Amino acid sequence: GNSVTQMEGPVTLSEEAFLTINCTYTATGYPSLFWYVQYPGEGLQLLLKATKADDKGSNKGFEATYRKETTSFHLEKGSVQVSDSAVYFCALSELIQGAQKLVFGQGTRLTINP
Amino acid sequence: GAGVSQSPSNKVTEKGKDVELRCDPISGHTALYWYRQSLGQGLEFLIYFQGNSAPDKSGLPSDRFSAERTGGSVSTLTIQRTQQEDSAVYLCASSPGTSGYTQYFGPGTRLTVL
Repeated sequence: GNSVTQMEGPVTLSEEAFLTINCTYTATGYPSLFWYVQYPGEGLQLLLKATKADDKGSNKGFEATYRKETTSFHLEKGSVQVSDSAVYFCALSELIQGAQKLVFGQGTRLTINP
Repeated sequence: GAGVSQSPSNKVTEKGKDVELRCDPISGHTALYWYRQSLGQGLEFLIYFQGNSAPDKSGLPSDRFSAERTGGSVSTLTIQRTQQEDSAVYLCASSPGTSGYTQYFGPGTRLTVL
């Protein structure tokens, strides 16, 4: 079946550092790809998405590019802030009976120190 | 308008008891999804509804789990004869339709089975 693998955490960085969280996927066909974020005490929020190869999703300074050739969707941010501390989930959509089931990676906990 | 709401936010129960978890989707959203977030399994899909119909129940972990949706709105996830391995955060999400729409998540219900 389809699956998502993302880099294990926790990841700890200093403010203004460059961030990369790796994500690779295994899928039949060409699913949409997502990054969701879970801030402390809050629910899952969509951070960005890409629906086809070479698409770049971006939001709040974060970016990720859908790479079909490497089956990857790595999350990057040029300069992180303390407020970016959260758990980040990479996910793909799998069609089941016409609906989009999300398949998630294990999550990566990010802590940014001032 | 309001986002997805879930109740209760926390539920502690004794092994063998039945529990009901409620989800109120965003008004007008026809698709509703249940996921489970646990330490051992990460985030896993349980079931989805299109309107009041659940075409695929294969994600439910056992026959102790059931779900229903009435009036195309509120959904209830019921766990009978709870076991300690049922302890997890149960997340609900809704979307305006099925394929191609972003899923919006609720804050979750944290279930602890003693």
